[in-house]
Amino acid sequence: TQLLEQSPQFLSIQEGENLTVYCNSSSVFSSLQWYRQEPGEGPVLLVTVVTGGEVKKLKRLTFQFGDARKDSSLHITAAQPGDTGLYLCAGATSGTYKYIFGTGTRLKVLA
Amino acid sequence: DSGVTQTPKHLITATGQRVTLRCSPRSGDLSVYWYQQSLDQGLQFLIHYYNGEERAKGNILERFSAQQFPDLHSELNLSSLELGDSALYFCASSVEGGRRGEAFFGQGTRLTVV
Repeated sequence: TQLLEQSPQFLSIQEGENLTVYCNSSSVFSSLQWYRQEPGEGPVLLVTVVTGGEVKKLKRLTFQFGDARKDSSLHITAAQPGDTGLYLCAGATSGTYKYIFGTGTRLKVLA
Repeated sequence: DSGVTQTPKHLITATGQRVTLRCSPRSGDLSVYWYQQSLDQGLQFLIHYYNGEERAKGNILERFSAQQFPDLHSELNLSSLELGDSALYFCASSVEGGRRGEAFFGQGTRLTVV
C-alpha cells in the first residue's frame, strides 16, 4: 500500500510556465520532506515542513503543508530547464519509523 | 557531496549469487536507511537502523538482510539473487530517529544481476 500518492505522475511544460505538484495521504505525518532526484543520483533534500498550514519558499519554489498534515504541495513559478527532475515527497507517519517516499512526479521543462 | 558514502558504485553478478553493499553515514548521523529503486520506479523503503538497532522494516525480502555496526556503518546483504533484484540501492542517513526525516543520500549502488 502506497501511503503517499503524488500527482501528476509526469509533467512536461515550457520554460516560464508555472506548475503545482501534489502529495496526498490518508495518514497524518509528523513532518514531510521534498526531494529532487537527477537520473542515476541520490535524492537531494529541498525542504522540510512540520506545522500544519506551514508555507516555505525556496527561491521560485513554494512548499505548503496541509492543515491536517496529510498532504503537501510544491509550486514552481516560472519554471526553468534546470528544474527538470524527479520530485519526491517523503515522511514518516506519526508513531512509526518507516520513512517512505511518494510515487514521484517526473518534471521536464523545455527551453 | 552529501557526506554519505556507498560502495561499490556498480556491481554485476550472476543469479543465485550473494553480494554485500556498504554504507558509511554522515559524521554524527545515527540513523541509516536502505531503499531499492527499480528502473523508472519510486524509492521502496527496505529497512531503518538507529544506533545499531533495527527500527523499522519495509517490504524487505527474506533473502535480504542488513545490519549496522558499532562504528555506525551499515551493510545490506542480498542473497540468492534473481534478475528482478537488479536496481539502484540507496543508503541514506539522518541525525534523528526518523520522525523528523531530512535524510541525506549516497550516490547509490547500481546492481545488475545477469
